[in-house]
Amino acid sequence: DAGVIQSPRHEVTEMGQEVTLRCKPISGHNSLFWYRQTMMRGLELLIYFNNNVPIDDSGMPEDRFSAKMPNASFSTLKIQPSEPRDSAVYFCASSIDLGNQPQHFGDGTRLSIL
Amino acid sequence: AQSVTQLGSHVSVSEGALVLLRCNYSSSVPPYLFWYVQYPNQGLQLLLKYTTGATLVKGINGFEAEFKKSETSFHLTKPSAHMSDAAEYFCAVSPVSDYKLSFGAGTTVTVRA
Repeated sequence: DAGVIQSPRHEVTEMGQEVTLRCKPISGHNSLFWYRQTMMRGLELLIYFNNNVPIDDSGMPEDRFSAKMPNASFSTLKIQPSEPRDSAVYFCASSIDLGNQPQHFGDGTRLSIL
Repeated sequence: AQSVTQLGSHVSVSEGALVLLRCNYSSSVPPYLFWYVQYPNQGLQLLLKYTTGATLVKGINGFEAEFKKSETSFHLTKPSAHMSDAAEYFCAVSPVSDYKLSFGAGTTVTVRA
C-alpha cells in the first residue's frame, strides 16, 4: 500500500522565493497534519485538517505560511516569501480520523533557504 | 498544555543488551501515548500506542512500553538490542479531548557491536 507521499524530497532556493510543498495522504484517511522539524525546536505541529477543512492552524509561525487542502487526496504548504530561518524538514502525516488513531508520516521535504 | 520529557538525548547500548528509553508527560488527565521511531532521512513510524485498557503495550520490532499513571510515565523497552534498532525515538502524547500530538525532543539510540 502506498504511504503518505511528499514532494519534493529536497528543495533549495533563495530567500524571498515562494516555496510550495506537496502532500498526498493515504487513501481513505480523513485527517492530515503538517509538521516542521528542526534541531532547535524539534517536531512542531503547524496545522491540521479534517475532511479537508482546516481545524487548527495555531502552529503556523506567521502569515508567510499558508496551507490548503482542495480535496481529500492533496494538500499544499506554501511559504511566501521564504526566509533562511524557514530551513527545516517538513513532514506531512495522515490518519484515518482524529482521536487516538495513529498518524502515518511521509518521508519529508528537506527545505534549505539560502 | 501537554509536555513530554524524554530523559537522555543519546543512549548507547551493546548489541543484545536491554534498551530502555524514558518518557514522562505532564497532564492532569491521562492522555493517549505513542512511541515513534525515525530512521535517517525518513519520516516517523509508529512503534506502539496506549489509549485505554492493558497498561503494558506491545509494538513492532520487539518493543514494548508500560503506562504508569502514578508516575506519569510511558517508558519504552526492548530486551535485546539489534543493530537495526539504531535510530531516533520519539515519545508523543495527545490529550483525549484534543487531537494534537506533542512530541518529546527525541532520543538517539546507538547500538555497539
